[in-house]
Amino acid sequence: AIQMTQSPSSLSASVGDRVTIACRASQGIRNDLGWYQQKPGKAPDLLIYAASTLQSGVPSRFSGSGSGTDFTLTISSLQPEDVATYYCLQDYSYPFTFGQGTKLEIK
Amino acid sequence: EVQLVESGGGLVQPGGSLRLSCEASGFTLRSFSMNWVRQAPGQGLEWISVIEKITDGKYYADSVKGRFTVSRDSGRNSLYLHMDNLRVDDTAVYYCARDLRPTDLQEAFDIWGQGTMVTVSS
Repeated sequence: AIQMTQSPSSLSASVGDRVTIACRASQGIRNDLGWYQQKPGKAPDLLIYAASTLQSGVPSRFSGSGSGTDFTLTISSLQPEDVATYYCLQDYSYPFTFGQGTKLEIK
Repeated sequence: EVQLVESGGGLVQPGGSLRLSCEASGFTLRSFSMNWVRQAPGQGLEWISVIEKITDGKYYADSVKGRFTVSRDSGRNSLYLHMDNLRVDDTAVYYCARDLRPTDLQEAFDIWGQGTMVTVSS
């Protein structure tokens, strides 16, 4: 199975900061990667698919980039409502695999 | 409203069986690939199964292969996960998720249920 490694595992930043979360695949996965946001006690929400396509209704401060093995989720200006855990998911081949998550907090 | 509602979770002993249901409303479940994802208490997300649209292809994570079976009932517009030989480490919230599949080469889990809790304990 393809291993997905996210970094950092936790992150504290101030409102208005630019935040970057990285995800690395153990082998090339083209651009077959999604990013999901999960708030405590809730189901995950889709933010980005195909590495860089913003899901309808998601604020434009979220963006994704990358291809092959290295991917990045960026929040251009952190807002209080962005406190959550973020996961990448490779959907290149079965079994699909998630990264271990990045917990984002406000400083 | 487009939504998914899971049910069927509960407490079961190790070695026991359980069937989870995921009822879709606002869309035809048969027209989409559907996935199961679980989350153990305090842990991350784990993809565990898919049933693909059209082909009915079924795939599983190694951790559940041979013990779990995914299926669907078009008449009831519902997805199921039959779980046998349950283990303590199967304890988790189980979510069903729709794959929007914006193009044939893209996956996007755009609709999720609220989750149902399965506890495996003696």
